[in-house]
Amino acid sequence: DIQMTQSPSSLSAYVGDRVTITCRASQGINSYLVWFQQKPGKAPKSLIFAASSLQSGVPSKFSGSGSGTDFTLTISSLQPEDFATYYCQQYNSYPWTFGQGTKVEIK
Amino acid sequence: EVQLVQSGAEVKKPGESLKISCKGSGYRFTNYWIGWVRQMPGKGLEWMGIIYPGDSDTRYSPSFQGQVTISADKSISTAYLQWSSLKASDTAMYYCARHDDSGSPGGYWGQGTLVTVSS
Repeated sequence: DIQMTQSPSSLSAYVGDRVTITCRASQGINSYLVWFQQKPGKAPKSLIFAASSLQSGVPSKFSGSGSGTDFTLTISSLQPEDFATYYCQQYNSYPWTFGQGTKVEIK
Repeated sequence: EVQLVQSGAEVKKPGESLKISCKGSGYRFTNYWIGWVRQMPGKGLEWMGIIYPGDSDTRYSPSFQGQVTISADKSISTAYLQWSSLKASDTAMYYCARHDDSGSPGGYWGQGTLVTVSS
């Protein structure tokens, strides 16, 4: 199985901060990576697919980059509604696997 | 509008069987993969498996192979996740999710089904 490791596991940031979350795959996954946002009590929501493509309706403050084994999700200016847990998932090969999540909290 | 509507919360005893459902609407059900994801209380997301309703091609995570069965009934646009003998450790929220139009997973999600297994 491909292991997905996110860092950090949690972070505290101010409103307006630029935030970067990284996701590393244990082997190359081309660009077959999605990023999800999950708020408490809610289903996850897709933000980025194919590593860098913005999902329809998602604000442009979210961006993704990377290919192969190293990927990043960037939030350009953190807003109150962005405080949530973020997950990466690879879909290059079965079984598809998620990172452990990064919880973004208010400082 | 694409919608995935899951069946309601369940409370079961260890050893009981269970089948939960995920009904798709607003799109051609047979044309998109639907996956199942587990989230144990306070924990992260775990990919369980996926089915293509058009031909019932199914893939499982080794962690869940033999523990659950994924199926679909295309005549009623519904995917299923079932257990033959529940354990307390199956207590979790279960989500179904459909690929988006690019073929990427998780473009659309059901609201989740909470399964509680307790004696």
